[in-house]
Amino acid sequence: IAGITQAPTSQILAAGRRMTLRCTQDMRHNAMYWYRQDLGLGLRLIHYSNTAGTTGKGEVPDGYSVSRANTDDFPLTLASAVPSQTSVYFCASSEMSSGGTDTQYFGPGTRLTVL
Amino acid sequence: GQNIDQPTEMTATEGAIVQINCTYQTSGFNGLFWYQQHAGEAPTFLSYNVLDGLEEKGRFSSFLSRSKGYSYLLLKELQMKDSASYLCAVTDSDYKLSFGAGTTVTVRA
Repeated sequence: IAGITQAPTSQILAAGRRMTLRCTQDMRHNAMYWYRQDLGLGLRLIHYSNTAGTTGKGEVPDGYSVSRANTDDFPLTLASAVPSQTSVYFCASSEMSSGGTDTQYFGPGTRLTVL
Repeated sequence: GQNIDQPTEMTATEGAIVQINCTYQTSGFNGLFWYQQHAGEAPTFLSYNVLDGLEEKGRFSSFLSRSKGYSYLLLKELQMKDSASYLCAVTDSDYKLSFGAGTTVTVRA
């Protein structure tokens, strides 16, 4: 069982370029999330999806877009990367069942550097 | 907005006990999580509290007081492998997680 996979593991990107970070889960979880983690700031929610076909904005959505065409995949796109988007990006998923604790499980992360 | 505070760093000796405090002010409350994150790795789930009181899981325990907006994570019989960051996170009224900045625990021999 892989759980959650992310690709690429790391990437160096020129400012202005378009980039898609990939996230796939095999746990059949309903909800998926994208976070960025910056030193001293903790994890901040970028976008989320409670179920396939729906998405929502988190705390820091500007400059990012997502789609959720099916249950397993939740790609994050940077349309025109800027240096302030240099960060470690984590994808997470949760069951999102009523009455449960709805624990989130995290992928291994993508380290992105925008120059 | 959400406000979650925890100390930046703590150091303790192998075999000792360390208590990591977390205070929060959030719009609604649907539970508090503690995650462990080793350097360069993903956060992994440690504990969940939604009712007041103590939850014990082996060497790790987590306490919650909803009226005080306060939680702590207690690590007993510290081992070198416990050196990591510990993240406090609160689920708000929309069931979204807000994270504190994390507490880096260093265990010394």
